[in-house]
Amino acid sequence: EDKVVQSPLSLVVHEGDTVTLNCSYEVTNFRSLLWYKQEKKAPTFLFMLTSSGIEKKSGRLSSILDKKELFSILNITATQTGDSAVYLCAGQETSGSRLTFGEGTQLTVNP
Amino acid sequence: GAVVSQHPSRVICKSGTSVKIECRSLDFQATTMFWYRQFPKQSLMLMATSNEGSKATYEQGVEKDKFLINHASLTLSTLTVTSAHPEDSSFYICSARESQGMKTQYFGPGTRLLVL
Repeated sequence: EDKVVQSPLSLVVHEGDTVTLNCSYEVTNFRSLLWYKQEKKAPTFLFMLTSSGIEKKSGRLSSILDKKELFSILNITATQTGDSAVYLCAGQETSGSRLTFGEGTQLTVNP
Repeated sequence: GAVVSQHPSRVICKSGTSVKIECRSLDFQATTMFWYRQFPKQSLMLMATSNEGSKATYEQGVEKDKFLINHASLTLSTLTVTSAHPEDSSFYICSARESQGMKTQYFGPGTRLLVL
């Protein structure tokens, strides 16, 4: 059975701090790893990682995938209160693109 | 990014009634759409995979006769919760996968269902 584990489950930081969120996966016929940000409604897409070792960046957010060790990290630098959300990672398989989600990391950024 | 809409965003119904939720990909074609449900403070649980023009594939433990899925076109899938009960109250989210390109999944805004 496919499995995605995120850590930590919960994180509280102050504005300006840098955070690293972890995601390990066991997905049969793995194709890619996706990161999403979920606030009050449905998740919004952040990154899709398919190749190992290539960092993807979007503003203060960046992410990288290690296919040998089966994990990914999401970094957020200079955090802001608007970064407070649940961050979800999901493993995507090749056939049918089924996603298996982790439990999520609840990030709280205090002013 | 691509846009996926869901309608309605919120619905309150009486026990025993049926509720239909629509999921549309607005600016891309999606041969595959997915339906999830999410309970408070929990992650998304895949209910079923909806393929245009064919029967949906349901995850283990999801009753196909209770959660009817129809994927009539490349931009529309519907989920009907039949004979809803209070335990069906949840947040239902659809996602649509691009047919071309990177085949990223984009999520709709979700539908909050409350069954009284």
